[in-house]
Amino acid sequence: RKEVEQDPGPFNVPEGATVAFNCTYSNSASQSFFWYRQDCRKEPKLLMSVYSSGNEDGRFTAQLNRASQYISLLIRDSKLSDSATYLCVVKGGSYIPTFGRGTSLIVHP
Amino acid sequence: DTGVSQNPRHKITKRGQNVTFRCDPISEHNRLYWYRQTLGQGPEFLTYFQNEAQLEKSRLLSDRFSAERPKGSFSTLEIQRTEQGDSAMYLCASSGVTGDTEAFFGQGTRLTVV
Repeated sequence: RKEVEQDPGPFNVPEGATVAFNCTYSNSASQSFFWYRQDCRKEPKLLMSVYSSGNEDGRFTAQLNRASQYISLLIRDSKLSDSATYLCVVKGGSYIPTFGRGTSLIVHP
Repeated sequence: DTGVSQNPRHKITKRGQNVTFRCDPISEHNRLYWYRQTLGQGPEFLTYFQNEAQLEKSRLLSDRFSAERPKGSFSTLEIQRTEQGDSAMYLCASSGVTGDTEAFFGQGTRLTVV
């Protein structure tokens, strides 16, 4: 079993739609959680950290469920510019970021 | 530019040749990571430095791969006797002293072995 698992998609949604991605992790001792965004042939960039109580940044909401060992990302009112790959990232005790394979999002007009 | 810098951006080499990549992290960051990414996959961890000490290596890092961070600043990743399977994007990232902070990535070095 991979340490961090994501559905690769692609998720193909119209502009304005709400879309949600989930990610599961296997190490119950994981301590820090993030969502990164990666555009085609570019480096990953931090989208948002994920806090235990859940957090929101504009149209983006991240949630953490430690009991079930998953994190989620909700994107409301999707824009064309949201088209990208979304990478789930988990850090354990050694603080080495471990990445999922990413979920591809395509937002169409 | 105070971000993570990687050189070269692209490298084409013949099978069997040695290649070396360089990463200059954000200056105040003491943690430096190397990853490899292939098409359709997320970045796969290769190795990690805290200052000049190489603290962890993935089993993906065969004996043909070696990494150094001699003065705790820039780092190099060398691949000896390259194989076609080494073709990938090699990404470097750095992060600060507090372990739970985000990692910042360089633009990567794209290696093609022909």
